[in-house]
Amino acid sequence: GAVVSQHPSRVICKSGTSVKIECRSLDFQATTMFWYRQFPKQSLMLMATSNEGSKATYEQGVEKDKFLINHASLTLSTLTVTSAHPEDSSFYICSARDHEGGFNSPLHFGNGTRLTVT
Amino acid sequence: QKEVEQDPGPLSVPEGAIVSLNCTYSNSAFQYFMWYRQYSRKGPELLMYTYSSGNKEDGRFTAQVDKSSKYISLFIRDSQPSDSATYLCAMRKPTGGGNKLTFGTGTQLKVEL
Repeated sequence: GAVVSQHPSRVICKSGTSVKIECRSLDFQATTMFWYRQFPKQSLMLMATSNEGSKATYEQGVEKDKFLINHASLTLSTLTVTSAHPEDSSFYICSARDHEGGFNSPLHFGNGTRLTVT
Repeated sequence: QKEVEQDPGPLSVPEGAIVSLNCTYSNSAFQYFMWYRQYSRKGPELLMYTYSSGNKEDGRFTAQVDKSSKYISLFIRDSQPSDSATYLCAMRKPTGGGNKLTFGTGTQLKVEL
């Protein structure tokens, strides 16, 4: 159980374009999802917390206008990287907690999206 | 100083060895402790999830938490080449900040035939 699906797994785009990444909880409902970014050989850095039906909460230093998050349903959150630049190239990973499991249930992660901006 | 410190490795061991992976942390408010395994170009996979101090065993994996020393460990018995991956420790506080996790940098493990 507790499967999180992330799509696409890899995307290459040109500088200045926008890219949308989807995160779905397949067998559970998630009122909260989390978006992380990971650079090579570094740990996961939380970018924002996505809340179903309300605005996302962004971590300090993360531009909300550049990384648009939408959590329209209990099973889907999207991250859109707007006007992407080469420095946005990274590994983006979403995670979710089973709503019915309660606050203390662990997070489960998607398989990540490798974004390359040329 | 980082809140969570983890030796990045790489750690190389022969097949069948017992592997010990560790993290230290500075914030005594952390109460929930996790170990994730991450294969190359994949998302982290939850291995162990523990609350407060003590031991937890699941198959070949044992997680230990020593809150007095602010030190957590993951032991892997009878290590296999398929255990080769990066192991991330993660922890969080019991309240506030949603379910925000603080991660270590990960230890790269290689189990050799």
